[in-house]
Amino acid sequence: AQKVTQAQTEISVVEKEDVTLDCVYETRDTTYYLFWYKQPPSGELVFLIRRNSFDEQNEISGRYSWNFQKSTSSFNFTITASQVVDSAVYFCALSEAHLSGGYQKVTFGIGTKLQVIP
Amino acid sequence: GAGVSQSPSNKVTEKGKDVELRCDPISGHTALYWYRQSLGQGLEFLIYFQGNSAPDKSGLPSDRFSAERTGGSVSTLTIQRTQQEDSAVYLCASSLVAGGSTYNEQFFGPGTRLTVL
Repeated sequence: AQKVTQAQTEISVVEKEDVTLDCVYETRDTTYYLFWYKQPPSGELVFLIRRNSFDEQNEISGRYSWNFQKSTSSFNFTITASQVVDSAVYFCALSEAHLSGGYQKVTFGIGTKLQVIP
Repeated sequence: GAGVSQSPSNKVTEKGKDVELRCDPISGHTALYWYRQSLGQGLEFLIYFQGNSAPDKSGLPSDRFSAERTGGSVSTLTIQRTQQEDSAVYLCASSLVAGGSTYNEQFFGPGTRLTVL
């Protein structure tokens, strides 16, 4: 069974501070995908990143960076120099790599609500 | 529009009434998913469609919930005899489906916020 844990339900930071959102996952699969999605107040989930389990190289995209560590089953997300527009709910998710019933089932964490205070 | 669309965006209903929620996937996407997001909860998988068939409906919480998809496109999620605990945001997503090792992202719609009074 797959499980994604986002222990931080809500985080508040002051603008320009760095913030890290934690994600810990469980899976019995050796091949899998990990994701982060952003859900702004408008409600629509915005895809941020996908990593596969064979690629542990950390990734940086502008102010966003992701730290994938298989040894600790974690896929943490850091926002550097946070901005008010970063305020949203962020979801970590996990998917099997194989097709089961014709699709790859995605398991989501409960989300971390980030509030960036001006 | 190129994205997934859902209607209505908001729905307020009285307990016991039936509601229908609609999802228009991205053109050409054969896979369609329904999720429910309750307050303080993550996204709960409800049902998956491949074409017009639903190989996995294991997430539907009760027999009051049903969904169909016609023409391999539009899907409708129906909740009969709504209860207050059905209040949530219902999200739809679509994706291409391919075999082998190809992974296809799920693209989400804006959701329908259902409030049962």
